[in-house]
Amino acid sequence: DGGITQSPKYLFRKEGQNVTLSCEQNLNHDAMYWYRQDPGQGLRLIYYSQIVNDFQKGDIAEGYSVSREKKESFPLTVTSAQKNPTAFYLCASSIEDRGGDTQYFGPGTRLTVL
Amino acid sequence: DAKTTQPTSMDCAEGRAANLPCNHSTISGNEYVYWYRQIHSQGPQYIIHGLKNNETNEMASLIITEDRKSSTLILPHATLRDTAVYYCIVRGGDSNYQLIWGAGTKLIIKP
Repeated sequence: DGGITQSPKYLFRKEGQNVTLSCEQNLNHDAMYWYRQDPGQGLRLIYYSQIVNDFQKGDIAEGYSVSREKKESFPLTVTSAQKNPTAFYLCASSIEDRGGDTQYFGPGTRLTVL
Repeated sequence: DAKTTQPTSMDCAEGRAANLPCNHSTISGNEYVYWYRQIHSQGPQYIIHGLKNNETNEMASLIITEDRKSSTLILPHATLRDTAVYYCIVRGGDSNYQLIWGAGTKLIIKP
């Protein structure tokens, strides 16, 4: 089946530790994204990548880092510099569709920092 | 700031049509209107998008007013599984890849 996978579904880390969230897609989409969602809120863009070996900061990039070495993969590292890392993290990829850019989402990773 | 305005919550009876409104009065001529929904603790699901014409797919219909300042998502025969938060989004003007998300509408389908 084609789709976007994120692992793990739940992740617990101690304060001060870096943690890397995985995102893989087999949809052959060029663009990929990372969002953060806090309870009762909409999504906020952390980073996005339009092509391999290139990525841009979103609205809330501070304390996060990404890499895009392969088209299929766009891992996100939550560093110890991120002040409030506990959140629901969503990865997406997109394809141009009838002039628009339609994003498709993975199931998400819920990160809890203790 | 979000570029759309939606009601916080709505109820609809199972089997009836659910009509979800969205205001986007500052939309630019080249911006698309997208609708997604999110069932609790899952990733958002794409529903439909449009520019100025009405659109229909297997999930829903999208009605955009002629001045493009508002739109309505229609779920023709709502089921209990349609209970979710529905987001109306306009694609960001400067960045073709930016979707600006508000808080959405919590739609509750009642038996």
